[in-house]
Amino acid sequence: DAKTTQPNSMESNEEEPVHLPCNHSTISGTDYIHWYRQLPSQGPEYVIHGLTSNVNNRMASLAIAEDRKSSTLILHRATLRDAAVYYCILRDVAGGGSNYKLTFGKGTLLTVNP
Amino acid sequence: SQTIHQWPATLVQPVGSPLSLECTVEGTSNPNLYWYRQAAGRGLQLLFYSVGIGQISSEVPQNLSASRPQDRQFILSSKKLLLSDSGFYLCAWTLTGAGQNYGYTFGSGTRLTVV
Repeated sequence: DAKTTQPNSMESNEEEPVHLPCNHSTISGTDYIHWYRQLPSQGPEYVIHGLTSNVNNRMASLAIAEDRKSSTLILHRATLRDAAVYYCILRDVAGGGSNYKLTFGKGTLLTVNP
Repeated sequence: SQTIHQWPATLVQPVGSPLSLECTVEGTSNPNLYWYRQAAGRGLQLLFYSVGIGQISSEVPQNLSASRPQDRQFILSSKKLLLSDSGFYLCAWTLTGAGQNYGYTFGSGTRLTVV
């Protein structure tokens, strides 16, 4: 999987929007951008994914740069339950062995202040 | 709907004892299955993955082994546990296909403490 770069930590206040950045300058045309989050003492949870266009779901929005070298996960109104480690991962769907693995980096630890 | 079951939730084992962790998936067929480990304060490390019955790929050399005796069953084992095997073990599944993109679903994990 291609490499991504995220800030180690970010802080937000409750009920404010949060923008979590991710850089992936070596992304290939067949890489999907996935976001997962891991709450304390739990397994990772799928959040959202996209390829080229911005995506919205009930949990978050994903804004993808036009050149696809960066993306931003947007939590529109942070709650205390959103405090977690957020992982940005590239998933190659071109087939072959790399398609079978999801490789996690260190992610961004999001702290939400009441 | 698809569900993933992983047990036990917590386990305390003495050094040198054997280990068997089981993971089963329901509601799908021919999933890709994965074992990850997360040591205390560390990131998620992929240990094994399987794309079919009896097909196991190991990502890192270690004291553990994996088996897939049935399509939706994935087992993580060790003959003799080491202190360094302590950690949070997670099973996950997904579907794959050329050009297809699917999310991964993780189990609730097993917290293993080797004493």
